[in-house]
Amino acid sequence: KQEVTQIPAALSVPEGENLVLNCSFTDSAIYNLQWFRQDPGKGLTSLLLIQSSQREQTSGRLNASLDKSSGRSTLYIAASQPGDSATYLCAVGRSNQAGTALIFGKGTTLSVSS
Amino acid sequence: DTGVSQNPRHKITKRGQNVTFRCDPISEHNRLYWYRQTLGQGPEFLTYFQNEAQLEKSRLLSDRFSAERPKGSFSTLEIQRTEQGDSAMYLCASSFWGVPRTSGGVSYEQYFGPGTRLTVT
Repeated sequence: KQEVTQIPAALSVPEGENLVLNCSFTDSAIYNLQWFRQDPGKGLTSLLLIQSSQREQTSGRLNASLDKSSGRSTLYIAASQPGDSATYLCAVGRSNQAGTALIFGKGTTLSVSS
Repeated sequence: DTGVSQNPRHKITKRGQNVTFRCDPISEHNRLYWYRQTLGQGPEFLTYFQNEAQLEKSRLLSDRFSAERPKGSFSTLEIQRTEQGDSAMYLCASSFWGVPRTSGGVSYEQYFGPGTRLTVT
């Protein structure tokens, strides 16, 4: 059974710091991995998607990497801003059933102070 | 706005009542998913449709829950005889599945709606 773990559960940093959020999964047979942002009481916003054949994806100040063999992904946020404060969720898609259920971690709650 | 929409955004109901939520996916997306999220947890998969066919149901989807997508467009999720444990955020997502009409691969990226917050008193 696939399990997704995100460390740390919470993180507080001052504005301007670069930071890394970690995601690990127990079964390396994944189709893709998505990183989402969730603001309090809101839905999920897709940030980056990495296919299983890819190593990384970049969007603006965000960079996500994937090491399928070790079951790990990282989300790197450069020059953090108070507006980055949110919960970041990692989710993996099953390899044998592309486009079906995503399995989520519990998220990392990020707080960026000005 | 061409994103995923959900209605209502908030629902407060008394235990034992029935509730129904609606999800309108992105128009060109043929797959639609329902997830449930409780406080401090990541979303958990409930069920998904391809067009009007319900292809998978999680064991979390008890017999009090039923989902439909009658014309392959919007979907409804009904909870009968609500219990306090049903209090959660219900999230809908959609994606495209199949051979793309234009060049480029198919990512099966899921796009989520704003959710319906259910409170059972």
